[in-house]
Amino acid sequence: TQLLEQSPQFLSIQEGENLTVYCNSSSVFSSLQWYRQEPGEGPVLLVTVVTGGEVKKLKRLTFQFGDARKDSSLHITAAQTGDTGLYLCAGITGNQFYFGTGTSLTVIP
Amino acid sequence: GAVVSQHPSWVICKSGTSVKIECRSLDFQATTMFWYRQFPKQSLMLMATSNEGSKATYEQGVEKDKFLINHASLTLSTLTVTSAHPEDSSFYICSAGLAGALRQETQYFGPGTRLLVL
Repeated sequence: TQLLEQSPQFLSIQEGENLTVYCNSSSVFSSLQWYRQEPGEGPVLLVTVVTGGEVKKLKRLTFQFGDARKDSSLHITAAQTGDTGLYLCAGITGNQFYFGTGTSLTVIP
Repeated sequence: GAVVSQHPSWVICKSGTSVKIECRSLDFQATTMFWYRQFPKQSLMLMATSNEGSKATYEQGVEKDKFLINHASLTLSTLTVTSAHPEDSSFYICSAGLAGALRQETQYFGPGTRLLVL
């Protein structure tokens, strides 16, 4: 089993604060994705990173793929209440797809 | 964009009954569909991979006789929870892989089905 550990598991912050979520593995992935899921809904794809060291920005969200393609981070600047949700990373290798353990984010107004 | 629907969105049933959940790709053909189970604030756990016209591949620990999967067409897969018990209560999510996709990551998720077994 290729395990993707996310940290922290739970995070509660004030609106306007910055935060970083980590996704770590001992395995190498050909690509990695980040999803956000709101209660009672399916996950929604935020980004796919493919190249080691790649950085992608999506408005206030910055995603980075580790140089060795084993880990990734998601940084949110000036969090808003709409950022509340479950963040999931997913590593892809060959034809296999592995979800991370998840980070539940609550942004307090 | 590619849309995946699930029906029903929620279901409440008595212990011992069977429940069928449908997963449909609305505007594309999906050769592969995936079924996941999720507990509150936890990650998705892959239950099985379903390929059109063939038997599903179940993950270790998932009872194939308990969770029957049928992928009858390129747009429909069904998950039947047989003789449901309270411990089967969960959020079930399907996803569909785009037929002909060159890379595995072209996968679209349904909105999920919440099952409550009394």
